[in-house]
Amino acid sequence: DARVTQTPRHKVTEMGQEVTMRCQPILGHNTVFWYRQTMMQGLELLAYFRNRAPLDDSGMPKDRFSAEMPDATLATLKIQPSEPRDSAVYFCASGKDRTHNEQFFGPGTRLTVL
Amino acid sequence: GENVEQHPSTLSVQEGDSAVIKCTYSDSASNYFPWYKQELGKGPQLIIDIRSNVGEKKDQRIAVTLNKTAKHFSLHITETQPEDSAVYFCAASGGNYQLIWGAGTKLIIKP
Repeated sequence: DARVTQTPRHKVTEMGQEVTMRCQPILGHNTVFWYRQTMMQGLELLAYFRNRAPLDDSGMPKDRFSAEMPDATLATLKIQPSEPRDSAVYFCASGKDRTHNEQFFGPGTRLTVL
Repeated sequence: GENVEQHPSTLSVQEGDSAVIKCTYSDSASNYFPWYKQELGKGPQLIIDIRSNVGEKKDQRIAVTLNKTAKHFSLHITETQPEDSAVYFCAASGGNYQLIWGAGTKLIIKP
């Protein structure tokens, strides 16, 4: 059955290192969302794409975060350099191109920055 | 911009009892209100949604009500079961692709 996949599922890294998280949206979906979830902040939208074009990345710290969609089957979220405050679970979600589309979430990447 | 408030942050109910979670929103232009359930270690999953032209929607043991005048909507779970234990999120959308999320409610079902 169709699912959003994310890799890696867990990542432990040291402060200052580069982190890349990957997401494969459901085939046929053309909207992709990146969220960050922490205990304190709940679900924060970092960026979203439609037809691979970034529509909004205002929730993302621009100095260290970047999001891209090299092709329709891959979305990436990169942090460089990483900091301890980036420790969180990062979710990718995808949806179809119509108003009020359901967002299908992946299992998340749990990032720990030491 | 839109703001969504969700209450309570934690709700503990006896198995078999009903649970109600409430959300309020600020943007009167919002017209789509989904509810997501997040189980431990998983991503959120849509369980029910409602659009602004409908006041209530039911799906088995869950129901959602919407009061556009007061700008609030609620999730009702009847005959709660252990598998209902999870974090529930409400959200609101005004017609673009973006959802504005509530802070979440941790629902605990006591045996």
